[in-house]
Amino acid sequence: AQSVTQLGSHVSVSEGALVLLRCNYSSSVPPYLFWYVQYPNQGLQLLLKYTTGATLVKGINGFEAEFKKSETSFHLTKPSAHMSDAAEYFCAVSGGDYKLSFGAGTTVTVRA
Amino acid sequence: DAGVIQSPRHEVTEMGQEVTLRCKPISGHNSLFWYRQTMMRGLELLIYFNNNVPIDDSGMPEDRFSAKMPNASFSTLKIQPSEPRDSAVYFCASSGQISSPLHFGNGTRLTVT
Repeated sequence: AQSVTQLGSHVSVSEGALVLLRCNYSSSVPPYLFWYVQYPNQGLQLLLKYTTGATLVKGINGFEAEFKKSETSFHLTKPSAHMSDAAEYFCAVSGGDYKLSFGAGTTVTVRA
Repeated sequence: DAGVIQSPRHEVTEMGQEVTLRCKPISGHNSLFWYRQTMMRGLELLIYFNNNVPIDDSGMPEDRFSAKMPNASFSTLKIQPSEPRDSAVYFCASSGQISSPLHFGNGTRLTVT
């Protein structure tokens, strides 16, 4: 079985500052890891994914995440926050099948 | 690509009434999922279809909930009778392969009074 823990339900950053969202996973098999973003009144959109290969994954909108097996982590970062990054972010894990386990989500607020 | 299309976007109904939510997946995707999102429970998988066949309905909360996928381009989620605790946002998602990322619709916000 797989599960995800997102550390921090709310993160507030200044525009231009680093965005760091933490995600730790648990998986009994090699994990497939995803970050999704949800804007108000919309569905979830894929930011990036890790399946195999390079552990540093680049996604859309300047986000990237690094898979660290030893730390069972898949933290999401963006060097410089923009006002448009205000949204809710979900980390998710699967074992390569259809069962995707989502974290509780982290709401990001960007201060001008 | 029009994406996953859900209707209606908002549904307000009275307790005891039947509610039907609709979904059109992305053309060519053979996996379809219904999720429910609430503040208390987050995102919950209700049911998973593969090639129009229900594979896992263990997340369907009660017999009041039912889902169908009569063809590759259409699915419904029905609640009969509806109850206030069914109030949530219901998402449909599709994917091309089992381990591929999901493509979500914009959801149906259901309010049962």
